[in-house]
This record gives sequence, C-alpha cells and structure tokens, in this order.
Amino acid sequence: LAKTTQPISMDSYEGQEVNITCSHNNIATNDYITWYQQFPSQGPRFIIQGYKTKVTNEVASLFIPADRKSSTLSLPRVSLSDTAVYYCLVGGGGSYIPTFGRGTSLIVHP
Amino acid sequence: GAGVSQSPSNKVTEKGKDVELRCDPISGHTALYWYRQSLGQGLEFLIYFQGNSAPDKSGLPSDRFSAERTGGSVSTLTIQRTQQEDSAVYLCASSLMPTGSNQPQHFGDGTRLSIL
Repeated sequence: LAKTTQPISMDSYEGQEVNITCSHNNIATNDYITWYQQFPSQGPRFIIQGYKTKVTNEVASLFIPADRKSSTLSLPRVSLSDTAVYYCLVGGGGSYIPTFGRGTSLIVHP
Repeated sequence: GAGVSQSPSNKVTEKGKDVELRCDPISGHTALYWYRQSLGQGLEFLIYFQGNSAPDKSGLPSDRFSAERTGGSVSTLTIQRTQQEDSAVYLCASSLMPTGSNQPQHFGDGTRLSIL
C-alpha cells in the first residue's frame, strides 16, 4: 500500500495561489494519484487525477515529477469557498485498498 | 444524474443495539466502498465490493461489523451490539472500476452515527 504524507494544515488569503504537496515514496508503477476535497458534513469530492507530468482542469492543476514520489495540487486564486480538507490518494488498477491520510486542512482568509 | 445516496443521514442509538446503514451507489458502478471517519480524522477503509467477486473485508475492525451488496447495487453495512467507539461518520463511495483501470470514487454525504 502506498502511504501518503501531507501537511496537516495550511493558511492562505483570497486571490493567492495555494500549493499542497503530497509525498508518496513507495508509489507503485501502475498507481494513479488522485486528489479529493471535503467540506464539513459532506463526503469527499473528486478534484483531479494524474499519472505523470502535469494535469490541468477547470479547478486545479496537478504537478507530478518524473520520479512520481510526490505530487503537488495547485489551486489558482483561492476564494473563501476553497476552505476545506484536501486528501491525496495513491492507488489504482483493479482491486486495491485505498489509503486516505488525514488530509490537509486549508483555511482561506479574507 | 443521481449521485451516491446514503440513509439515514443521522442515526442515534443506544449502546448494544444493532444498526443498519444503507448505500445506493451510482447506477452502473461496479465498485463500492465503505469508510469510517471519526471526528477530525481521515477516512478509514472498511470493505470493498467489486462486481460479483468476493468482497475485501480486510478493513472491518471487528466481527460486529458486516456488509452485503445485493444484486450488485444497494449495500448495507450492519453493526451489531454497538459500542460508543463506533460513533463516527460512515461514508460510502462507488466507482466505475473495470479491472486494470483506475476510476475516481464518488462519495455520498455519509451517515452520522452516534452511540449513547
């Protein structure tokens, strides 16, 4: 199982770019990297997924270096509504046991 | 379209009682997961169903916990003789999971279980 390590918390201000890095040193060859966002009293929501290099969608970018031992979720110009817990999940391919860490609690200040 | 639906959204019961939690996955999703999330903690994997294969029960914390999935769709998580430490939010997720590929999970909003 690929274990992930993320900062427990981060603070930012509206309009800033936020980068959250996840370490996953024992990632397997066929593992994907997936990020989820969770608001209080809700289930996690899929944000972005990647395998290598860079992936961008309408809400975020995901940067994955060549060795794939870490990944960085980038949120451009955050707003108060981006205050949430962000989870990095590593796994994939057929049957696997997902391992969510404690996530990163992001607080965006006015 | 409809997402993952869980019921009840909240459940309060006395210690020692049995509880059943229900999950309706997204139609057509073959994979279904149950997780437990204690206050301020991450998600703890409980059990995984994939199609008609035998479920992966390796995350169930004790034999008081069981789950079934009927007809490859609706799933029920049962906790017998509940204890106070069972108090948590129980989350269900489903995904399109053809073997050999990776699909993101879609979560319900969970059942908040409180044991008095």
